[in-house]
Amino acid sequence: EADIYQTPRYLVIGTGKKITLECSQTMGHDKMYWYQQDPGMELHLIHYSYGVNSTEKGDLSSESTVSRIRTEHFPLTLESARPSHTSQYLCASSVNRGKETQYFGPGTRLLVL
Amino acid sequence: SQQGEEDPQALSIQEGENATMNCSYKTSINNLQWYRQNSGRGLVHLILIRSNEREKHSGRLRVTLDTSKKSSSLLITASRAADTASYFCATDGSSYKLIFGSGTRLLVRP
Repeated sequence: EADIYQTPRYLVIGTGKKITLECSQTMGHDKMYWYQQDPGMELHLIHYSYGVNSTEKGDLSSESTVSRIRTEHFPLTLESARPSHTSQYLCASSVNRGKETQYFGPGTRLLVL
Repeated sequence: SQQGEEDPQALSIQEGENATMNCSYKTSINNLQWYRQNSGRGLVHLILIRSNEREKHSGRLRVTLDTSKKSSSLLITASRAADTASYFCATDGSSYKLIFGSGTRLLVRP
């Protein structure tokens, strides 16, 4: 069982609200990732980080932003949520070797009304 | 575009039978991984096979890799109802990123 946590697990909010999805890992991993996944579909990388103060956009354009102030913490923020943001968001981390095994959190299911 | 594509998209078998799912990819790789995802949960790493390996075993899992055909297969032997999940292959792209396929949804009927 991976030591990577996401909160909340489920979130239902109204359009226009600002939200932050939390992700924390206790494995000391430098690499962290955010994926977006619609039900039954593939994962799309939306953000990743090589380490503290490093963030990059992924392959899928996203209106969300991320920050990496501490190694163990990689929150994702939506300034103004819209129904098109409804999806599952998965956080993952990997050791500082690149391209190796990623450890996933349980995910946050977001529903924007 | 997706690097990995799984086939079939969905598979339904009886408990005790073997399940085989395939993954094809487009560019050269250093390694290929298989992950499992139970409904509504995160992914769990199953097995990693490097580009210089042809076959790897882990418990009831057997993975093969054919770099000349740019394909891999995952075999689950003696399936159980608890194996019901979606299975994804992932290949290493540029930088520190993995690229996931679209997944195979496996249903094991008791």
